Amino acid sequence: NAGVTQTPKFQVLKTGQSMTLQCAQDMNHNSMYWYRQDPGMGLRLIYYSASEGTTDKGEVPNGYNVSRLNKREFSLRLESAAPSQTSVYFCASSLQGAWGIQYFGAGTRLSVL
Amino acid sequence: SQQGEEDPQALSIQEGENATMNCSYKTSINNLQWYRQNSGRGLVHLILIRSNEREKHSGRLRVTLDTSKKSSSLLITASRAADTASYFCATGPSRGGATNKLIFGTGTLLAVQP
Repeated sequence: NAGVTQTPKFQVLKTGQSMTLQCAQDMNHNSMYWYRQDPGMGLRLIYYSASEGTTDKGEVPNGYNVSRLNKREFSLRLESAAPSQTSVYFCASSLQGAWGIQYFGAGTRLSVL
Repeated sequence: SQQGEEDPQALSIQEGENATMNCSYKTSINNLQWYRQNSGRGLVHLILIRSNEREKHSGRLRVTLDTSKKSSSLLITASRAADTASYFCATGPSRGGATNKLIFGTGTLLAVQP
């Protein structure tokens, strides 16, 4: 049972490049989330998907787009990367949304030069 | 904006001592959760306490919740070097809230010296 799998683990981009971070969960969870973590800032929610077919903005959505491809997969896209998007990105999933436990992936370390 | 604020921001103790960290929040909640993050890893859930509960135990962990003061504490007893990590509280909105998301605090960095 893999849980939440994120790819890639590391990525270096140049300013203006685009990329997609992939996330998949095998726990049949309804809700999925994308967070970024910066030093001293804790976790900040970028986008979330309460259920298949729906997505909503979180606290810091600017510069990002998401796709809930199916119940298992939730991808995060940076269309034109900026140095301010250098961060560690975490995907999480939950069966009961904010009323239950969230399970996290191992993270993607992204550097934008 | 952060809902949960942990205190202290950093804590250093000796192995075998108890560690206490606190979390304060601002709005009504359905539940409060504590997570641990080892360096370079994802967050791992530790314990969930619902708004109608006052205390919960799990192994060496004890969590209390005071909804009148909008605060929670996490106690780790008989700490070990392996407990060295960052600890985050997260709050889930009360029913009727407009969101389906946890809000995380900024964390307490615990260092347990062998």
